[in-house]
Amino acid sequence: QLVESGGGLVQPGGSLRLSCVASGIDFSSYEMYWVRQAPGRGLEWVSYISTSGATTDYADSVKGRFTASRDNTKNSMYLQLNSPRVEDTGVYYCARRFSSGLDYWGQGTPVTVSS
Amino acid sequence: EIVLTQSPVTLSLSPGQRATLSCRASQSIRSYLAWYQQRPGQAPRLLIYDASYRGTGIPDRFRGSGSGTDFTLTISSLEPEDFAVYFCQHRSDWPPAITFGQGTRLEIK
Repeated sequence: QLVESGGGLVQPGGSLRLSCVASGIDFSSYEMYWVRQAPGRGLEWVSYISTSGATTDYADSVKGRFTASRDNTKNSMYLQLNSPRVEDTGVYYCARRFSSGLDYWGQGTPVTVSS
Repeated sequence: EIVLTQSPVTLSLSPGQRATLSCRASQSIRSYLAWYQQRPGQAPRLLIYDASYRGTGIPDRFRGSGSGTDFTLTISSLEPEDFAVYFCQHRSDWPPAITFGQGTRLEIK
């Protein structure tokens, strides 16, 4: 399973670090994603990280502000949110890539950006 | 950028009926399409990947079909637990961005 943590209330312009820990599944061999969902809205891709962590990619809406990383020795992945905006509010999910889909998802960690 | 358009936005059916959900891509995506079910307060669950392959533990009443730009998720006989929101999703080769459709809400009639 995947378990996210680190969400909470953050002020606009602040910072927050989300974590995702894998247990009972292969983590290091798989590419990973962060996906978010604003309240009452659909799903939005946030970031991608390769198996080694050497390659990352981001949605335009967060590029330059968010940074994804991983530590395969700890079966963990992270998302650093810098200078968050009100529109970054939502539930953040980590998910494992499997072929064209995402087969394992965490339960999500809520992030609220508000002053 | 590929855009996925789902239809209908809302589908009202009764248990036991057949549901047909559509997902159309703005350009050909071959068979690189997945479907998810999301119940209230839960994370999405992978139903179908590569357009027609069922995810682990997914009942065979769920069937995915299509290729190119037009895809369909069919639920052959609705169970009470199937009433939820369904999303389609595409992952491009490079950059490895993911695109989701806006969702179809399947509600009890």
